[in-house]
Amino acid sequence: NAGVMQNPRHLVRRRGQEARLRCSPMKGHSHVYWYRQLPEEGLKFMVYLQKENIIDESGMPKERFSAEFPKEGPSILRIQQVVRGDSAAYFCASSNAGTDYEQYFGPGTRLTVT
Amino acid sequence: SQQGEEDPQALSIQEGENATMNCSYKTSINNLQWYRQNSGRGLVHLILIRSNEREKHSGRLRVTLDTSKKSSSLLITASRAADTASYFCATGSSGGSEKLVFGKGTKLTVNP
Repeated sequence: NAGVMQNPRHLVRRRGQEARLRCSPMKGHSHVYWYRQLPEEGLKFMVYLQKENIIDESGMPKERFSAEFPKEGPSILRIQQVVRGDSAAYFCASSNAGTDYEQYFGPGTRLTVT
Repeated sequence: SQQGEEDPQALSIQEGENATMNCSYKTSINNLQWYRQNSGRGLVHLILIRSNEREKHSGRLRVTLDTSKKSSSLLITASRAADTASYFCATGSSGGSEKLVFGKGTKLTVNP
C-alpha cells in the first residue's frame, strides 16, 4: 500500500521560471493538503483540496501560487515566476475523511531557486 | 498566528532515558497530532489524540492532553539513538477548517 507520493524530490529553478510540484495521495484518500516548511521552522498550511474543488486556500500567497486536484491524476502545486524566497520544502498530505483524521505526509519536494 | 508551541526547543538525553516534550496552543481544537521528522526527510505520523481524550499510548509513546490548560505532552520512554529527530505537534481546529497548525518543533538528540 503505497504512501503519499511526491515528485520531484528536488527541484532547482532560476528566478522567473515556473515550478510544478506533484502529489499523489494514498490510495482511497480524497483530501489533499499542501504545506511549506522553511529551514528550522514548522510547517505552514497553504491549501486544502478535494477532487476538483479548492476547499480552503487561506494559506496561499495571493499571487503566483495556484493548486489543483483534478478528477484524474495527481494534485499539482504551481508556482509561477519563482523568487529566491520561494526556496523551501513543500509537503503534501492526504487523509480519507478530513476533520479529526490523521493526515499522512509525503517525502516532500525541496525547491531551490537560484 | 502560531498555534502549537513546543517546549523545549532542543533536548539532549542519553540512551535509555525518558524524553518529555510539551506543546501549548491557543484556540479550541478538534484534535492534536504529534509527528516526527528526521533531518531533511518527510513527517511520520505518531499519534492523534481527540479533544475528548486525555491520554493515549502507542508502544513507547505516551501522549496526554489537557484542554483546560490548552497543552499536550509527548513522552518517549527508554529512548534510543534512532529516536533522534525533530518532533512537532499540530492542532486541528474546531469550526470546519481541516488545516493543521504546526509549532516549530523540539529537536531531540539521543546520545548512545
